[in-house]
Amino acid sequence: NAGVTQTPKFRVLKTGQSMTLLCAQDMNHEYMYWYRQDPGMGLRLIHYSVGEGTTAKGEVPDGYNVSRLKKQNFLLGLESAAPSQTSVYFCASSYRQGSTKYEQYFGPGTRLTVT
Amino acid sequence: GDSVTQMEGPVTLSEEAFLTINCTYTATGYPSLFWYVQYPGEGLQLLLKATKADDKGSNKGFEATYRKETTSFHLEKGSVQVSDSAVYFCALGQGLNSGYSTLTFGKGTMLLVSP
Repeated sequence: NAGVTQTPKFRVLKTGQSMTLLCAQDMNHEYMYWYRQDPGMGLRLIHYSVGEGTTAKGEVPDGYNVSRLKKQNFLLGLESAAPSQTSVYFCASSYRQGSTKYEQYFGPGTRLTVT
Repeated sequence: GDSVTQMEGPVTLSEEAFLTINCTYTATGYPSLFWYVQYPGEGLQLLLKATKADDKGSNKGFEATYRKETTSFHLEKGSVQVSDSAVYFCALGQGLNSGYSTLTFGKGTMLLVSP
C-alpha cells in the first residue's frame, strides 16, 4: 500500500495564479483532511471530508476550495493564489472509528511558494 | 474551543539524556490524545496515543500518560538517540456528530540530539 500520496511535492506560483493539489489514499478511509503548516503555528485544518461528495470547512478555509468526487481522492484548490498562502500543505485520512480511534495518516506534504 | 499547549523548543539534549516534552490541553468531553513526530522533510507519523484517562501510550521507548486531573499528556523517553531528532506534535482528537473527528494540534517542539 502506498498510504497517502500528494502531488505535486513542490510548486512555485505567481500571485493570482490558480492550482490544484491532489491527495490520494489507498486505505479505503472514509475521512480526509487538508492542513497547512506554518512556522510557529503548528498544523491548522483547512477543509475536511467525511465521505464522497461531502466537504466541510475547518479552521482556516478562506481562499481555498475542495472537492471529493471519489472516495480515494481529495482535491484542494487555490483559485487566486496570494503570498499568505505560502506554506506546506498536508493531506491526511482516517477511518471512521474503531480500535485506532481518530488516528490520522498523513501524506508527505506539498511545499507551495507564492511570489 | 479545544486547544493544545506544548513547550517551546528547540530542546537540545546529548545522546542518552532523559527527555520530557510537556503538553497540556483544554477540551470539553473526553478527548483522545496523540503524539505525532515529523522527521525532516517528511509528513507526520503517529508516535503514540491514549484514548481515556490513565491510559499510557508507548512506542519506540517513548511514553505518555493521559492525566485528566492535570489535563496533561507529557512525552518522555529515558535515553534519547541522535535519530530521535525531529519535531514532536501533541494533538487532541474530539468526536463530532456522526462519529468523525478532527485533530487540534499544538505548535510543535523541535528536539535536537547531539552525539
